[in-house]
Amino acid sequence: DTGVSQDPRHKITKRGQNVTFRCDPISEHNRLYWYRQTLGQGPEFLTYFQNEAQLEKSRLLSDRFSAERPKGSFSTLEIQRTEQGDSAMYLCASSLSLLAGKTTSSGNTIYFGEGSWLTVV
Amino acid sequence: GQSLEQPSEVTAVEGAIVQINCTYQTSGFYGLSWYQQHDGGAPTFLSYNALDGLEETGRFSSFLSRSDSYGYLLLQELQMKDSASYFCAVRVGTGGFKTIFGAGTRLFVKA
Repeated sequence: DTGVSQDPRHKITKRGQNVTFRCDPISEHNRLYWYRQTLGQGPEFLTYFQNEAQLEKSRLLSDRFSAERPKGSFSTLEIQRTEQGDSAMYLCASSLSLLAGKTTSSGNTIYFGEGSWLTVV
Repeated sequence: GQSLEQPSEVTAVEGAIVQINCTYQTSGFYGLSWYQQHDGGAPTFLSYNALDGLEETGRFSSFLSRSDSYGYLLLQELQMKDSASYFCAVRVGTGGFKTIFGAGTRLFVKA
């Protein structure tokens, strides 16, 4: 499978615990995105990386959320001191940008993983 | 900030044509995308418009009017498998690029 893969697919955790999700993008993709989605809503932008650099983080994201992409390949999203409101599906996506700071037609397509479902009880 | 408006639900019959509209307000606009998502699945890319006009891909077409901040997705010859959520999304950026999604339109296709 050469698509975007996420792990774990499902996670149930107690309030106050920390959780970490991993994303492996499509191998040649240099951009990686994290989104959060709740039932009946569209994906909500959280953050994105160009290679290993985190270029933007949503202002809606609290300090309990942190993401890394240490070698410009896989990424992790950690949520500390989880709250019930964190329950959602966390989607990872990747895309290819062939020109630094610009995009090509292929870079407009974002490929999503199947998501990691988080339930905080 | 960015905002996108699209109808929450649309119902149509098999074989018919349906149009899902999307209006947006954003700065740094580069283009409008459409994604499909089936229940329990991941969003999948359908189309992208950077310039005004109509883009056709099989049974699906997408239109953009940058001056009106408006676009639509047209689905023809509807099939039951087209029942899904459809999201319009704006690509925005000031040096980097990100895609912001609308709340989605739930399409129900009836026999």
